[in-house]
Amino acid sequence: SQWGEENLQALSIQEGEDVTMNCSYKTYTTVVQWYRQKSGKGPALIILIRSNEREKRSGRLRATLDTSSQSSSLSITGTLATDTAVYFCATDDNYAQGLTFGLGTRVSVFP
Amino acid sequence: DPKIIQKPKYLVAVTGSEKILICEQYLGHNAMYWYRQSAKKPLEFMFSYSYQKLMDNQTASSRFQPQSSKKNHLDLQITALKPDDSATYFCASSQEGTGSSSYEQYFGPGTRLTVL
Repeated sequence: SQWGEENLQALSIQEGEDVTMNCSYKTYTTVVQWYRQKSGKGPALIILIRSNEREKRSGRLRATLDTSSQSSSLSITGTLATDTAVYFCATDDNYAQGLTFGLGTRVSVFP
Repeated sequence: DPKIIQKPKYLVAVTGSEKILICEQYLGHNAMYWYRQSAKKPLEFMFSYSYQKLMDNQTASSRFQPQSSKKNHLDLQITALKPDDSATYFCASSQEGTGSSSYEQYFGPGTRLTVL
């Protein structure tokens, strides 16, 4: 596996709290993508960070990338119940080649 | 309007039978993909096509055959179905850009296949 996690992680938090999830990858990549998958839906890209960026922000989302340790994190600030989903990190290095997904983190946000 | 259509949404099949999963994308993309997601494994890349040509195949079994009749279609034929094939199959697409080796992929809603 491209990714270091061994099990799907699960986090339960209350609305308004912040949450951070981590991924570590095994082989070189030029970009890390974070996808969110809500129940019964396909994954959707929420943020993408390139190897020349250490941090990327998009609204309440913040992604970091440490190429030296081959790890990435995704933080969500001020979570909402609608943030309830499974979050995946993914890498790909070439056009028209498949993404390699991590096992994901299941985040449940309670009102 | 849905940009990636997958049909059917649910599919039940008997062991040994053959099924075709349909995927159409209306995003104008020139690359399409199939992924599988089961309870036991994470999202798993299967195939990728670009301009209707196979680019990458990570599926060991020849029972899985993608079929591209049009640029915006990539169907998946599965023969000799087994219970282990039970999973949700996602179609995705992306657009070739410039200056980057990585591209956002847009996923369809999936087809949930159950093999009895």
